[in-house]
Amino acid sequence: KAGVTQTPRYLIKTRGQQVTLSCSPISGHRSVSWYQQTPGQGLQFLFEYFSETQRNKGNFPGRFSGRQFSNSRSEMNVSTLELGDSALYLCASSGGTPDNSPLHFGNGTRLTVT
Amino acid sequence: GESVGLHLPTLSVQEGDNSIINCAYSNSASDYFIWYKQESGKGPQFIIDIRSNMDKRQGQRVTVLLNKTVKHLSLQIAATQPGDSAVYFCAENSSPGGSYIPTFGRGTSLIVHP
Repeated sequence: KAGVTQTPRYLIKTRGQQVTLSCSPISGHRSVSWYQQTPGQGLQFLFEYFSETQRNKGNFPGRFSGRQFSNSRSEMNVSTLELGDSALYLCASSGGTPDNSPLHFGNGTRLTVT
Repeated sequence: GESVGLHLPTLSVQEGDNSIINCAYSNSASDYFIWYKQESGKGPQFIIDIRSNMDKRQGQRVTVLLNKTVKHLSLQIAATQPGDSAVYFCAENSSPGGSYIPTFGRGTSLIVHP
């Protein structure tokens, strides 16, 4: 079974631009979560989607948004990029029910904002 | 807010030794705990999990111990190998709305010397 796939692996953007990251979950997984990982803050939860609906949201500004499609694939968008948005963005999928944990992570998208 | 933390940021061991990585959690309502391993350039990989109705669970060369009285979690790796070198995260899960959204600790870097 293929794992979680994230594209692209690397991105370099300029302040003020916007970016879209893509995630394909494990087949059959209905929940997709997004995390931001930085050396200073560790793994921070962004949001979770389940059956095309945002089910949980972390404490990030509205510049961070996401969506999920009917095939469970997900995208996240960051608008008006800031230098502090430079990070590894990780997507994780799971069955999405309490008995269907844990999370399975992709290898991330490394975003650098200059 | 409540958080999950690790006692030691870096652990160095010799190949063949047993390794113990510790984690303290503060949310007494947490009922599901997971250990992840993250190798350089990759996303976190699930190692082992344990639910709060257990105090010990064993996998292949790994054992997780849960002490709910003192809110402490540990990961024991037997006969540590160079391939075990990675950052290890513990995570606790809460379940708002029927979904498990884990909170991750800051991580411990395990270095295995051949």
